Amino acid sequence: AQSVTQLGSHVSVSEGALVLLRCNYSSSVPPYLFWYVQYPNQGLQLLLKYTSAATLVKGINGFEAEFKKSETSFHLTKPSAHMSDAAEYFCAVTSNNDMRFGAGTRLTVKP
Amino acid sequence: DVKVTQSSRYLVKRTGEKVFLECVQDMDHENMFWYRQDPGLGLRLIYFSYDVKMKEKGDIPEGYSVSREKKERFSLILESASTNQTSMYLCATMEQGGPNYGYTFGSGTRLTVV
Repeated sequence: AQSVTQLGSHVSVSEGALVLLRCNYSSSVPPYLFWYVQYPNQGLQLLLKYTSAATLVKGINGFEAEFKKSETSFHLTKPSAHMSDAAEYFCAVTSNNDMRFGAGTRLTVKP
Repeated sequence: DVKVTQSSRYLVKRTGEKVFLECVQDMDHENMFWYRQDPGLGLRLIYFSYDVKMKEKGDIPEGYSVSREKKERFSLILESASTNQTSMYLCATMEQGGPNYGYTFGSGTRLTVV
């Protein structure tokens, strides 16, 4: 069985500060890992994905994530938060085409 | 770009009604999925389908069924709606392999059962 755990249901940062959203996964086979973002009243949009190539993955809007097998982690970071980054973020894992999602982390950006 | 269209953004139904949620994709993807999204629980897989007339139960299939008569359309059915099925429902399609591997989501249907 595969699953993900997102540590922290709410994260609040100041504009310009580092964003760090945590995700740990569990998978019995090499996983594919994803981060999605959801803005209010919208569907999920892909931020980035790890598919067993480079362990440091760069995505849209300045986000990146690093796959660390030894820590079973795939944390999402952005060096400098922008007000427009306020949204809900979901980490997801798949190894056999049906994807499993974390509970989500709501990011608030303070001016 | 792949488009996944869910027929309704907002829906209000009465307890006991039969409810159909429709999802249509405009690419030739074989894999389609239905999730429900609830605060604090993330997305939970209800049903999925890898081919026409094929369906597989996800993690929370109770109270739901699905239909896939054509490749592009995947319907979620609530046989007898209940208030605990009030939720956001998201449809997704998946491209297997290649640089575009991953899911594409519809905009969601927010269902309220009263």
